[in-house]
Amino acid sequence: SQQGEEDPQALSIQEGENATMNCSYKTSINNLQWYRQNSGRGLVHLILIRSNEREKHSGRLRVTLDTSKKSSSLLITASRAADTASYFCATDSGGSNYKLTFGKGTLLTVNP
Amino acid sequence: EPEVTQTPSHQVTQMGQEVILRCVPISNHLYFYWYRQILGQKVEFLVSFYNNEISEKSEIFDDQFSVERPDGSNFTLKIRSTKLEDSAMYFCATRDRNYGYTFGSGTRLTVV
Repeated sequence: SQQGEEDPQALSIQEGENATMNCSYKTSINNLQWYRQNSGRGLVHLILIRSNEREKHSGRLRVTLDTSKKSSSLLITASRAADTASYFCATDSGGSNYKLTFGKGTLLTVNP
Repeated sequence: EPEVTQTPSHQVTQMGQEVILRCVPISNHLYFYWYRQILGQKVEFLVSFYNNEISEKSEIFDDQFSVERPDGSNFTLKIRSTKLEDSAMYFCATRDRNYGYTFGSGTRLTVV
């Protein structure tokens, strides 16, 4: 798999349910970030977790990072129809330029 | 909250024409980037810019592409002779000292 590979590719749930998306990567990282993209729109930064952190919360979002398994998960609790979007993880592998490597994303559909 | 502003939001151009995509970065950010996303694919790194020069570029960023900050504020991406395969969403992004990225809302480039 490629750096920043998410699964599942698509997830459909009912409003009020929790949504979990996973991301795996191959190289060592400085930090990992999650982004949201509504169809055809811009990227919205959701949360950043550093390599020395294991879990982070922001509102209804919970991100975990397991550097030994090179994986991360994004949990959205009590989902709403407005959460329908594509979610991408992106890894920052450090270096002097801090460029991001994105995964292919998970398309989340929350049905009302 | 500070924003990265991109113009135009949508540009249609004929193959072989030159296009300039514009970005107004967040004023106190030091690192600037261009990424692109071909429809249905992952977001890909094109180029990073720091201290008024290119700090890294990807294989995609060939001689047809160039970037500059012509007036010290705007950050532009120029494609000299567009090809059909250049059709994509182009995102400008800036990064602060704490690794926080802010993406613009993108320019959708359609080459016909």
